[in-house]
Amino acid sequence: QVQLVESGGGVVQPGRSLRLSCAASGFIFSSYAMYWVRQAPGKGLEWVTVISYDGSNKYYADSVKGRFTISRDNPKNTLYLQMNSLTTEDTAVYYCARATVAWELLDGFDMWGQGTRVSVSS
Amino acid sequence: QSVLTQPPSASGTPGQRVTISCSGSSSNIGSNYVYWYQQFPGTAPKVLIYRSNQRPSGVPDRFSGSKSGTSASLAISGLRSEDEADYYCAAWDDSLSVLFGGGTKLTVL
Repeated sequence: QVQLVESGGGVVQPGRSLRLSCAASGFIFSSYAMYWVRQAPGKGLEWVTVISYDGSNKYYADSVKGRFTISRDNPKNTLYLQMNSLTTEDTAVYYCARATVAWELLDGFDMWGQGTRVSVSS
Repeated sequence: QSVLTQPPSASGTPGQRVTISCSGSSSNIGSNYVYWYQQFPGTAPKVLIYRSNQRPSGVPDRFSGSKSGTSASLAISGLRSEDEADYYCAAWDDSLSVLFGGGTKLTVL
């Protein structure tokens, strides 16, 4: 079955960097756009970024633009999120999610990983 | 502040029908699909409705989605205690971003 497993979270000081990974299995990873969504403690869901199936298109939320970079390694079935210049506002659980329909970017996402926790604190 | 507007809370008694609204604009709900997610505390969200009114396999037919103009709704019929959770709507916006509603906490009385 479809499985998404995030890793790389942890505690980091403000201004530092962190890279998250999302290992995918159970589907043809290279056919699907992939998303990162986060949820701050006690808050709602916030979309972070999306990457097309082939990596040619990427879009970011204004709150992370210029600091976060999404990428993917299709042969390794892995999605990444490079997070730089972290602030306390970036403290959240980060989820990766798979697009609903193969090849489509501007549709939506249905399958989610279990999330990895990022805490930015001095 | 969320651009998609949901009521912060909703409630109903077992067996009742409850609807949760999601209001947007012509650039998001008005021109793109709406998704609905259910989330229990401490767990990842799960999709209930995709492409505005489609239900994934495994989701009970008690859950249904609809869209009209710049608003969407999630209806839950035959309410059960296990439906007590947070519910979020989401949609792409023409500005090439994904918007979420602020979430609705459903209480089963």
